[in-house]
Amino acid sequence: KAGVTQTPRYLIKTRGQQVTLSCSPISGHRSVSWYQQTPGQGLQFLFEYFSETQRNKGNFPGRFSGRQFSNSRSEMNVSTLELGDSALYLCASSPWGDGTGELFFGEGSRLTVL
Amino acid sequence: DQQVKQNSPSLSVQEGRISILNCDYTNSMFDYFLWYKKYPAEGPTFLISISSIKDKNEDGRFTVFLNKSAKHLSLHIVPSQPGDSAVYFCAAEVRGSTLGRLYFGRGTQLTVWP
Repeated sequence: KAGVTQTPRYLIKTRGQQVTLSCSPISGHRSVSWYQQTPGQGLQFLFEYFSETQRNKGNFPGRFSGRQFSNSRSEMNVSTLELGDSALYLCASSPWGDGTGELFFGEGSRLTVL
Repeated sequence: DQQVKQNSPSLSVQEGRISILNCDYTNSMFDYFLWYKKYPAEGPTFLISISSIKDKNEDGRFTVFLNKSAKHLSLHIVPSQPGDSAVYFCAAEVRGSTLGRLYFGRGTQLTVWP
């Protein structure tokens, strides 16, 4: 069974630009979560989607947004990029409808903002 | 608010000895705890979990202990192997209500030397 796939793996942007990251969950998984990892900060929760609906959102500004498609694939978008947005963005999927328990993570998208 | 804390950023252990990684939490509502392992350039992978109704869970070389009264859990790896060298994240949730959101600690870098 294929794992969680994230694209692109690496990207470089400049301040003020926007970026879109993509995530394909494990087949059959309908819950998709996004996390931001920065050095020394662990993993910070961005949002969670289930059946195309955002069910939960972390404490990030409105520049961070996401969506989920009918095939459970998800995208997240960051607009007006800031230097502090440089991070590893991780997508995770879960087979559990209640969105709890073990999450299966992708390898992440490494964003560098110059 | 860091509800899950890993106060040791790093741990160095000789091969064959025991590795003990510690984690504290502040939210008494957490009822499920997980440990993830992360190698560089890879996403976190699930290692072991424990429900709050238990005080110990064992899986091969890995054992997690939970002390609810102290709001503390620990991961024991016996015997430690060089391949265990990775960053270990402790995570917690309230089952059924946190909707894809795991609360992560900042991680502990474990180095196992020969």
